[in-house]
Amino acid sequence: GAVVSQHPSWVICKSGTSVKIECRSLDFQATTMFWYRQFPKQSLMLMATSNEGSKATYEQGVEKDKFLINHASLTLSTLTVTSAHPEDSSFYICSARVLGRDSRDEQFFGPGTRLTVL
Amino acid sequence: GDSVTQMEGPVTLSEEAFLTINCTYTATGYPSLFWYVQYPGEGLQLLLKATKADDKGSNKGFEATYRKETTSFHLEKGSVQVSDSAVYFCALSLGTALIFGKGTTLSVSS
Repeated sequence: GAVVSQHPSWVICKSGTSVKIECRSLDFQATTMFWYRQFPKQSLMLMATSNEGSKATYEQGVEKDKFLINHASLTLSTLTVTSAHPEDSSFYICSARVLGRDSRDEQFFGPGTRLTVL
Repeated sequence: GDSVTQMEGPVTLSEEAFLTINCTYTATGYPSLFWYVQYPGEGLQLLLKATKADDKGSNKGFEATYRKETTSFHLEKGSVQVSDSAVYFCALSLGTALIFGKGTTLSVSS
């Protein structure tokens, strides 16, 4: 199956700093990537939809100036958490959408990035 | 709004036991339904899906049937293995985005 990687897998930063998380589709191109956030024992919550070459679409309640998304190529989307605070500590997961033949429409997920803000 | 509810875990079973993880949904339209599995240290993987009522998705011995009348998509397996230990997520989609349940942790012991 298609492989999606995320980097870093975990990061610890001080409050007020910015953190960039990369999401790459390794063996396929993805015009659409998604960013999710997962709190402990909670479901994945969609934060934004990232489309290559255009601005991301954010879900209600997600601050676009806080969570900057760049989808500059068909294999890379980045999420930057700006001026991070402890409440931003979470597990961030990306997925890449594949549209194929036979009405195939599937998302492939990265392994996630654990962000801890001190 | 649209949502997915799945049974709370953890679910602890012995090897070869029968597994059921309940999932029900609320949706305004006619969603596609999915089960994803997350093994330790890995990303979510699609386990099976069903796109319309009465469809049965199956993979790796797991099955789930799309029941419109009960708005359910329960996951079953007749005989679990230790390697099935993971977190299982039920999800629905009415278009592009996926809406997930909270996940159910399955632990299988030998």
